[in-house]
Amino acid sequence: EAGVVQSPRYKIIEKKQPVAFWCNPISGHNTLYWYRQNLGQGPELLIRYENEEAVDDSQLPKDRFSAERLKGVDSTLKIQPAELGDSAVYLCASSFGQGAGGTEAFFGQGTRLTVV
Amino acid sequence: RKEVEQDPGPFNVPEGATVAFNCTYSNSASQSFFWYRQDCRKEPKLLMSVYSSGNEDGRFTAQLNRASQYISLLIRDSKLSDSATYLCVVYNYGQNFVFGPGTRLSVLP
Repeated sequence: EAGVVQSPRYKIIEKKQPVAFWCNPISGHNTLYWYRQNLGQGPELLIRYENEEAVDDSQLPKDRFSAERLKGVDSTLKIQPAELGDSAVYLCASSFGQGAGGTEAFFGQGTRLTVV
Repeated sequence: RKEVEQDPGPFNVPEGATVAFNCTYSNSASQSFFWYRQDCRKEPKLLMSVYSSGNEDGRFTAQLNRASQYISLLIRDSKLSDSATYLCVVYNYGQNFVFGPGTRLSVLP
């Protein structure tokens, strides 16, 4: 079974440029998460989708970040314009349902963004 | 105060040593608990879930104390391949997986 697929793996852009990341979750997983991980820290949630609905975007910097999951399957995360402080690894994860106990989040390999 | 806190580390231990990691969480309504492992420049992967009764998987033992809001991970007879960052994760029903900052372990020959 294919895992969570993200692209690109690496991206280097100049500040003020736009950038987009793509994620395809595990088939059948209705919950999709975008996390940002800075060096030496744990992943921090940006946005969570239940199917096509963004149910928690409280941590998403909405002045420059946007996300969509139009058909409730794959998702894109966009930054426009990018700032130096956006350099991080952007991780996509998916899980099946919202059940407590045993629910596991599966992660993609991430996109390592460097803003110069 | 962060919702999930862990030992700052890093832990540098010799092969064969026993090492324990501690984690505390602030949300008393949290329902599920996990330890994830993250290798350098890789994505986090589930190591084990943590149950109230405690659970063991080979050399790994996880414990949960809901009253103290405390989670632990014990690794016995550590191997070089155990070197990684260990992330404590708390899940709240209908909400999100909240990660601790991670504790880095280096097992030395």
